Amino acid sequence: AQTIHQWPVAEIKAVGSPLSLGCTIKGKSSPNLYWYWQATGGTLQQLFYSITVGQVESVVQLNLSASRPKDDQFILSTEKLLLSHSGFYLCAWSLSGVEQYFGPGTRLTVL
Amino acid sequence: QQKVQQSPESLIVPEGAMTSLNCTFSDSASQYFAWYRQHSGKAPKALMSIFSNGEKEEGRFTIHLNKASLHFSLHIRDSQPSDSALYLCAVSGRGSALGRLHFGAGTQLIVIP
Repeated sequence: AQTIHQWPVAEIKAVGSPLSLGCTIKGKSSPNLYWYWQATGGTLQQLFYSITVGQVESVVQLNLSASRPKDDQFILSTEKLLLSHSGFYLCAWSLSGVEQYFGPGTRLTVL
Repeated sequence: QQKVQQSPESLIVPEGAMTSLNCTFSDSASQYFAWYRQHSGKAPKALMSIFSNGEKEEGRFTIHLNKASLHFSLHIRDSQPSDSALYLCAVSGRGSALGRLHFGAGTQLIVIP
């Protein structure tokens, strides 16, 4: 059975500090991977998607970047956090490209 | 740019009632339509999806799609307190855009025992 793990579970960071969030998928070979962001009370927005290792497409510009260093790993990062980066970050996977399954998420608070 | 809108924003129903949630979209080329349920502080979970006009039933849940009207809906029969959650609709595009999901802002459902 496939499992999706996100780390950390929660982060409290200062404005201007760097950030790295991770996502690992086990049990599925070569899935499509996605990063989503949901501001508190806001709409779920797709940020990045990746079809294969080393290839990442940006969907929304939020001063964030993403990388896929391994088939089962997806990383979201920034060198300088903004207050507006606070929210719930979700990684998702799909084999078909449409039916997407979400990880447990990382709650980020920027102070 | 795809626009997805949900109504109502919130809904309170008694246990056992029929609940109807609505979603409209702007891109007539959209090919995949889904409902997700999100409990407070948790990740969204896929409930049901549909590709073509018509309806599909799974247990107490029915999804109905009318592409000509740019509208789809979710109906919950015999609503239960455990159904209380934020319901999100999602729409994708065709071809290479199939992995691009656009979500609505959600309908907050509360089912009163």
